[in-house]
Amino acid sequence: GDSVTQMEGPVTLSEEAFLTINCTYTATGYPSLFWYVQYPGEGLQLLLKATKADDKGSNKGFEATYRKETTSFHLEKGSVQVSDSAVYFCALSGSSNTGKLIFGQGTTLQVKP
Amino acid sequence: EPEVTQTPSHQVTQMGQEVILRCVPISNHLYFYWYRQILGQKVEFLVSFYNNEISEKSEIFDDQFSVERPDGSNFTLKIRSTKLEDSAMYFCASSRDRDQPQHFGDGTRLSIL
Repeated sequence: GDSVTQMEGPVTLSEEAFLTINCTYTATGYPSLFWYVQYPGEGLQLLLKATKADDKGSNKGFEATYRKETTSFHLEKGSVQVSDSAVYFCALSGSSNTGKLIFGQGTTLQVKP
Repeated sequence: EPEVTQTPSHQVTQMGQEVILRCVPISNHLYFYWYRQILGQKVEFLVSFYNNEISEKSEIFDDQFSVERPDGSNFTLKIRSTKLEDSAMYFCASSRDRDQPQHFGDGTRLSIL
């Protein structure tokens, strides 16, 4: 079945460092891909999305490109801030026709001043 | 911006008791979902609901679980006889269409004693 694999955390960076969180997926057909972020004590918020190959999703300085040839959707940010500290989830909406999301295990990012 | 709201934020229940988790989706949304996240694990799909019926459910969603939309605004998840392993964070989500991004509530933390 469909699945998502994320890099293990936690990831600890200094402010202004470059961020990459790896995400790869397995799916039949052409899934839509998402990154969600969860700040402490809050629910999941959509960060960005891409719906077809080579699409680039972007928001708040974060970017991810839908790479069909490598089945990847890596999250990047050029310069992280302390306020970016959160848990990041990669997800896909795949072969199901109900729109259900399949999530990766989440990656905790801690940014230190 | 419209939000998905969930109540209560924390529910503590004795094993074997029934529990109802409540959600108010965004008003013009048509697709509704429940997910759960056991501490330290990934977010897992439980059930999707459209047009007043279940459209898909996971293996987790056994006969102890039920969902309903009793009054056109609330969307509830009932667990009939809770078990220790039901302890988790439960998230409600809604979307305008199955191809549109899902909006999540802040979750209900369910603790079974």
